[in-house]
Amino acid sequence: QKEVEQDPGPLSVPEGAIVSLNCTYSNSAFQYFMWYRQYSRKDPELLMYTYSSGNKEDGRFTAQVDKSSKYISLFIRDSQPSDSATYLCAMSGPWGAQKLVFGQGTRLTINP
Amino acid sequence: KAGVTQTPRYLIKTRGQQVTLSCSPISGHRSVSWYQQTPGQGLQFLFEYFSETQRNKGNFPGRFSGRQFSNSRSEMNVSTLELGDSALYLCASSLGTGAANYGYTFGSGTRLTVV
Repeated sequence: QKEVEQDPGPLSVPEGAIVSLNCTYSNSAFQYFMWYRQYSRKDPELLMYTYSSGNKEDGRFTAQVDKSSKYISLFIRDSQPSDSATYLCAMSGPWGAQKLVFGQGTRLTINP
Repeated sequence: KAGVTQTPRYLIKTRGQQVTLSCSPISGHRSVSWYQQTPGQGLQFLFEYFSETQRNKGNFPGRFSGRQFSNSRSEMNVSTLELGDSALYLCASSLGTGAANYGYTFGSGTRLTVV
């Protein structure tokens, strides 16, 4: 079993829809949770960063962490075609962790 | 401010050869981490270097090695290439070790194809 599980999709939704992307994990030591966005043939860029449980909102993006369920989510409101990309969840352990563990990435397409 | 620079961008090698990839981090960043990205496995951690020392290593065979120079530039070497080594190799730059917690700045990667 992988430490981080993420449905690779592909996921296709119409413009304006609310998108929900999710990851589950098995390592209870993970404390830092991130979402990266990777456009086709580009490098991953950090989108959202959260520590421990709770919600974080940034514009149209909301990241949720439920440590009790070992489940994290990224919500995209009012989705735009420019949001079409692969979204990767990533997480790391206590402060000082020297690596990120990534999910496989979900390929998302927003249709105009 | 210059980003993370990886060279070369594309590389084609034959089985059994060796290859060296280069990464120049953001100016002032002292930590360089390497990841392998494949469609089946996603992003997997190779190793992290900080102050010319390898601080952590992922579950890859000994054919994968690296080093870091005093100017923080890093090289990754893969010897005796196998077809399964075909992947996008990403370098990530950060200020200090343990900075996985900060999130990284990635380079654009080197796409290696082994034939």
